[in-house]
Amino acid sequence: SQELEQSPQSLIVQEGKNLTINCTSSKTLYGLYWYKQKYGEGLIFLMMLQKGGEEKSHEKITAKLDEKKQQSSLHITASQPSHAGIYLCGALMPWVNNAGNMLTFGGGTRLMVKP
Amino acid sequence: EAQVTQNPRYLITVTGKKLTVTCSQNMNHEYMSWYRQDPGLGLRQIYYSMNVEVTDKGDVPEGYKVSRKEKRNFPLILESPSPNQTSLYFCASRKHGGSGNTIYFGEGSWLTVV
Repeated sequence: SQELEQSPQSLIVQEGKNLTINCTSSKTLYGLYWYKQKYGEGLIFLMMLQKGGEEKSHEKITAKLDEKKQQSSLHITASQPSHAGIYLCGALMPWVNNAGNMLTFGGGTRLMVKP
Repeated sequence: EAQVTQNPRYLITVTGKKLTVTCSQNMNHEYMSWYRQDPGLGLRQIYYSMNVEVTDKGDVPEGYKVSRKEKRNFPLILESPSPNQTSLYFCASRKHGGSGNTIYFGEGSWLTVV
């Protein structure tokens, strides 16, 4: 079940352009994680947000969790080919009975950056 | 070094031949989980475990079994694999308590069932 909705599902941008990926839940999120993945490889942890209004940055990637803790956005500034991959948001959802205090993931956003 | 180790990393097998994918963590974590990843579907949880001898179904448990006899190990068992179980599998673990605990993932196991 897709308790977390990610948008867009795929994105192609020109190198140097900015972009935003969204992750939305219908309920309050308890811990929102962003991961990056090269296709077929492992998950690379990017950031984790807990508090409403929290914002974290790493290099050219910034993630925010809105005040109501129901949506997070991941913003990449001046994209580079090295940013290409699949971006996944994952959240702790205690109301989901079959989550077992582990992460429930969105469907992922596939990003391609054209040189 | 804190890590989650999965084996095998790559496997091609035939329909109906039982196989086990092992997962081991060295952090004394209570929670462990198995996910499968398929194009366009993100990661979907198969089974999870909240501690030794405590396991439960995730979103897509059909065709899989798990066991948690020891805290460090959480094997995923496919009794009679079928082609629709061809996927990329990830094991994960985290410590009990608090939403801020880091979640560790294994490097993934590519399984192809022919």
